[in-house]
Amino acid sequence: QVQLQESGPGLVKPSGTLSLICGVSGGSISSRDWWSWVRQPPGEGLEWIGEIYRDGGTNYNPSLKSRVTISIDKSKNQFSLNLSSVTAADTAIYYCASNDYYTIDYWGQGTLVTVSS
Amino acid sequence: QSALTQPPSASGSPGQSVTISCTGTSSDVGGYNYVSWYQQHPGKAPKLMISEVSKRPSGVPDRFSGSKSGNTASLTVSGLQAEDEADYYCSSYAGSNNPYVFGPGTKVTVL
Repeated sequence: QVQLQESGPGLVKPSGTLSLICGVSGGSISSRDWWSWVRQPPGEGLEWIGEIYRDGGTNYNPSLKSRVTISIDKSKNQFSLNLSSVTAADTAIYYCASNDYYTIDYWGQGTLVTVSS
Repeated sequence: QSALTQPPSASGSPGQSVTISCTGTSSDVGGYNYVSWYQQHPGKAPKLMISEVSKRPSGVPDRFSGSKSGNTASLTVSGLQAEDEADYYCSSYAGSNNPYVFGPGTKVTVL
């Protein structure tokens, strides 16, 4: 069974870039087709950020598309998220996840990223 | 503002049933049989409870069931137990441009 673990800075300055990595264990990152990032502002609901195919193709939430880049490193069995020009509105718990048959089924434990000076 | 609509809260006594609705449009819930339901306890990651409208992943109790009619999907929890108290989110595939949309979540309280 796939296991996912997010890592990265917990504090990012306004106008900076949020960068997170998701490590995949329990199997090869090539064993599943799609890998996603989802976020949840404190006390609020879930928002899908984007996804990457095992061979590198991407889809992004139109509301974030201009600021988001998701990449994959098969040699390290991980994928990553970059979100640029962040503001306080980007403060959230960020989850990495895996999708199959149009369903997000496996989730990491999440990591809180706060945008503050 | 969420793409899908859910009631903010629902409740029931132990042993009773509770049903949560999730309303979208013909571009998401009504257009695809890819509605999922997630359970989230405080401080925890979401857990998939129902996929493809009514399929239960391995390990999910059969007390949880899903259905869909038109643009509205529903999650029913039968035989409520204390551990079912959580937030529940619906999600739907919404096409290649913005594949996944979520509801705002429903807080289920076991009285």
